[in-house]
Amino acid sequence: NAGVTQTPKFRVLKTGQSMTLLCAQDMNHEYMYWYRQDPGMGLRLIHYSVGEGTTAKGEVPDGYNVSRLKKQNFLLGLESAAPSQTSVYFCASSYFGVTAHTQYFGPGTRLTVL
Amino acid sequence: SQKIEQNSEALNIQEGKTATLTCNYTNYSPAYLQWYRQDPGRGPVFLLLIRENEKEKRKERLKVTFDTTLKQSLFHITASQPADSATYLCALDVDTGRRALTFGSGTRLQVQP
Repeated sequence: NAGVTQTPKFRVLKTGQSMTLLCAQDMNHEYMYWYRQDPGMGLRLIHYSVGEGTTAKGEVPDGYNVSRLKKQNFLLGLESAAPSQTSVYFCASSYFGVTAHTQYFGPGTRLTVL
Repeated sequence: SQKIEQNSEALNIQEGKTATLTCNYTNYSPAYLQWYRQDPGRGPVFLLLIRENEKEKRKERLKVTFDTTLKQSLFHITASQPADSATYLCALDVDTGRRALTFGSGTRLQVQP
């Protein structure tokens, strides 16, 4: 069981470039999430998905798009990167329970936008 | 506004002592609260969950309390070890319809040998 994996681990972009971050989970979880983590800010929710083919906005969705074409994958896209998007991005997943959505996190992607 | 507060200053303690970390929140009525551990360069890892109707939860050397009147959770590590050094995050379910968590910014714990 690999759990939650993220690709790539590191990336440097120039302002205006685009990229896609890939998250994959092998736990058959319904829910998947994308967070960004900045110093002193904690984890902030960008977008999330409650099932295949569905996505929704979190707290800080501007400048990002997501897709969940397969249950095990959740993609985060940056169409035109900006320096303000320099951050560490974490993907997480959780099962569909009545209560208590314990989240399983990936190792993170460190993105720098110059 | 809604807020989750954790002490941003690092907590330094001596090995063998009990570490106590605080999580305060305002304007929420969470059904449960979770604690996660995060090591440098890694994703958070779930430690403990406590529900609103539970006062205390234990797991090995870890203990969590949840006071919904004070809007506070305390996270204790007894007989602390240098390997417990990490950042500890608390998280609340602030919107059950969204089924997502809102995290505090974390407190870094440093256990000195």
